[in-house]
Amino acid sequence: QQQVKQSPQSLIVQKGGISIINCAYENTAFDYFPWYQQFPGKGPALLIAIRPDVSEKKEGRFTISFNKSAKQFSLHIMDSQPGDSATYFCAAFRGYNAGNMLTFGGGTRLMVKP
Amino acid sequence: DADVTQTPRNRITKTGKRIMLECSQTKGHDRMYWYRQDPGLGLRLIYYSFDVKDINKGEISDGYSVSRQAQAKFSLSLESAIPNQTALYFCATSGPKGGPQHFGDGTRLSIL
Repeated sequence: QQQVKQSPQSLIVQKGGISIINCAYENTAFDYFPWYQQFPGKGPALLIAIRPDVSEKKEGRFTISFNKSAKQFSLHIMDSQPGDSATYFCAAFRGYNAGNMLTFGGGTRLMVKP
Repeated sequence: DADVTQTPRNRITKTGKRIMLECSQTKGHDRMYWYRQDPGLGLRLIYYSFDVKDINKGEISDGYSVSRQAQAKFSLSLESAIPNQTALYFCATSGPKGGPQHFGDGTRLSIL
């Protein structure tokens, strides 16, 4: 059973639209929540991350919203561009003493249509 | 990430064969990881290593083994490959105080 559940599995958005990907977790020991972006033929690369004491973090067109009480977090991509077409993974991290253990969601394949 | 190099990039082999996937890094990181990626399941941790003498099982270690030959090298072996080990395999590294994990570009492994 996945500890981090991600939805939707795939998403098609028109250029200029907003892409929204949602994740939910169960384990309250998670203390850091990164998002990774993966292009075909490449490994995942860190996109943006948030700690649970913050409700929102924005970097350019990418925003993470975090709801600690609901144990949910989401990625918003504003003004989506064809170059944003990729697979996105949310993840949850358990403390440095736990070996930087990352637990990944199942991934969302985003396609942005021109 | 060119700092984390995986070889081979693609491999097709037969059931029962022994396979080794290799990972080398120039980032100077102590911690190294092996993941497998399957559609809809994301990435799942197979093994991780804090340093040359410290190797730990991850979520799905059955059927796999690893060797940390040096700080910069971490290899994954499938002793007797089976078709359900067909997947994308990724190596990753991170620094001693945590921080983001840096991934290689993966090995696509197909077992017939």
